Amino acid sequence: KNEVEQSPQNLTAQEGEFITINCSYSVGISALHWLQQHPGGGIVSLFMLSSGKKKHGRLIATINIQEKHSSLHITASHPRDSAVYICAATYSGAGSYQLTFGKGTKLSVIP
Amino acid sequence: DTGVSQDPRHKITKRGQNVTFRCDPISEHNRLYWYRQTLGQGPEFLTYFQNEAQLEKSRLLSDRFSAERPKGSFSTLEIQRTEQGDSAMYLCASSQGLAADTQYFGPGTRLTVL
Repeated sequence: KNEVEQSPQNLTAQEGEFITINCSYSVGISALHWLQQHPGGGIVSLFMLSSGKKKHGRLIATINIQEKHSSLHITASHPRDSAVYICAATYSGAGSYQLTFGKGTKLSVIP
Repeated sequence: DTGVSQDPRHKITKRGQNVTFRCDPISEHNRLYWYRQTLGQGPEFLTYFQNEAQLEKSRLLSDRFSAERPKGSFSTLEIQRTEQGDSAMYLCASSQGLAADTQYFGPGTRLTVL
């Protein structure tokens, strides 16, 4: 069964802290996605990666294909980073390229 | 490029009524997806269109649900005889259609069935 597991479910951090959110998935993905969801529902794609590492501003996403694991890091966290971060996978063989989502990690950054 | 839009943003209805939601994808995006998200959960796949063809439907999409994309542009999702369990956020996303590519999400339609 194609699954995506995230941890932790909830995370509270002080402003400035380094944050890590973890994601594990089943074998057979063609891409791994990290998305951000703010209250009210809007979802924004942060990264799509199939190998290695990507960086955008203070956000870094990594993936380890052998261990079927990905991490999202936020450096120098800020209260505006507070949101739900969702890991999702595109599984090979899913002709629609639909996303299979994790349950999300709710991040709260306190000033 | 105005992004993916959805209408309405909120819908409150009584059990047993029919509702219809609209999604306008980014122009020239070939793929269009519908997902459903309940409180505290990640979104779940409902159905997928490649241009005007509906190519895949989830088991979640009971026979009370129907979706169309008549001209390969906007799409509608209709729920007939709504039930309280249909209360959720309905999300639409579109993508260009280049293998596994980035999906762009609309703001969602929040449905409440009383």
